[in-house]
Amino acid sequence: AQSVTQLDSQVPVFEEAPVELRCNYSSSVSVYLFWYVQYPNQGLQLLLKYLSGSTLVKGINGFEAEFNKSQTSFHLRKPSVHISDTAEYFCAVSTLGGNKLVFGAGTILRVKS
Amino acid sequence: NAGVTQTPKFQVLKTGQSMTLQCAQDMNHEYMSWYRQDPGMGLRLIHYSVGAGITDQGEVPNGYNVSRSTTEDFPLRLLSAAPSQTSVYFCASRFGPTGYTGELFFGEGSRLTVL
Repeated sequence: AQSVTQLDSQVPVFEEAPVELRCNYSSSVSVYLFWYVQYPNQGLQLLLKYLSGSTLVKGINGFEAEFNKSQTSFHLRKPSVHISDTAEYFCAVSTLGGNKLVFGAGTILRVKS
Repeated sequence: NAGVTQTPKFQVLKTGQSMTLQCAQDMNHEYMSWYRQDPGMGLRLIHYSVGAGITDQGEVPNGYNVSRSTTEDFPLRLLSAAPSQTSVYFCASRFGPTGYTGELFFGEGSRLTVL
């Protein structure tokens, strides 16, 4: 079975600074990888995904992530954050053709002015 | 576009009571699922369905029942509520193998408190 570890429960950062949210996964087979964002009192929405191809994936709102198979990581990055990026971010993994999407515990990004 | 609609948004139950959380989607998605979200634990899969008449268990199925009689609807039933079922519940759907993009579309959540 696959699992996801998000290494930081909270990440405080000042506005316009760069940020990296870390995600490691465990799986014995090939995987699909996702990052979702949850704003307060809302459902989750997809930021970006890796299914195949280029290991550098660009998503919405200026976020990007890099799939590193040897390190089993899928870290999320943004070069310059805004106050509006304050939210909880979830890394998730599923196996190819699998029906179970497994989520990490989440990382709360707090952007300060 | 309605997307994924969950009702009710808030519910308070007493221990031992039963209730049904409703979920409907209008995107003709084959796959539907229920997750619960608890602080520090992320989202955990309760049950899922790959089409009408087909359901299967996720990570935390105990105490919950589901059925899928139509493509659009996927209700979650709590048979005898317990305080441990206090949580926020999310319904999510996506395309099946045909047209698979991986993206799950989430409802806005149903916050359940069991006293």
